[in-house]
Amino acid sequence: GESVGLHLPTLSVQEGDNSIINCAYSNSASDYFIWYKQESGKGPQFIIDIRSNMDKRQGQRVTVLLNKTVKHLSLQIAATQPGDSAVYFCAETGLLANNDMRFGAGTRLTVKP
Amino acid sequence: DAGITQSPRHKVTETGTPVTLRCHQTENHRYMYWYRQDPGHGLRLIHYSYGVKDTDKGEVSDGYSVSRSKTEDFLLTLESATSSQTSVYFCAISVRGMNTEAFFGQGTRLTVV
Repeated sequence: GESVGLHLPTLSVQEGDNSIINCAYSNSASDYFIWYKQESGKGPQFIIDIRSNMDKRQGQRVTVLLNKTVKHLSLQIAATQPGDSAVYFCAETGLLANNDMRFGAGTRLTVKP
Repeated sequence: DAGITQSPRHKVTETGTPVTLRCHQTENHRYMYWYRQDPGHGLRLIHYSYGVKDTDKGEVSDGYSVSRSKTEDFLLTLESATSSQTSVYFCAISVRGMNTEAFFGQGTRLTVV
């Protein structure tokens, strides 16, 4: 069935490097995507979102890229810091099911000092 | 944490007993959600509410019921807890539905023995 998933379950980077977390989706009806960050013992926290009429959106140190042709989403974190260590989830939803946001399984990012 | 309080934060209960989890918000947001989080599955929607007394089922609603008698409170009830309902439960709120930014509570860790 259609699902949201992640290419890598874990990612380890050096402090100061850039991180790229990838996500594949297969529901062509999805038109809204969000990246959430979840630190240990806490609930998910919104990072950045993007709608399907865009292919790139930038925030503070984060950039989300959307490639609708291959149904791929990525989160780029610039100058990764120890505080960025967390599990990152991509999530998708669509106009017809705007209250059924589907989350991927998550990628654990570890930042090494 | 965006004015969301979940209670209790931890609970251990026996199979077959009823359990109620509470989500309380101080943001006056219209939409409230209950998710469960399990390893390898990310977050999955159980039930959601789009107003007082207005609720609907999510992806994994079997075995759960909800009630919303006030804007600020959304209750999740396990009528007869089973071991498969051992999980971490998250409440979330949003202003205009899940195709906008959502805010999550700290989570409730429920263990059914």
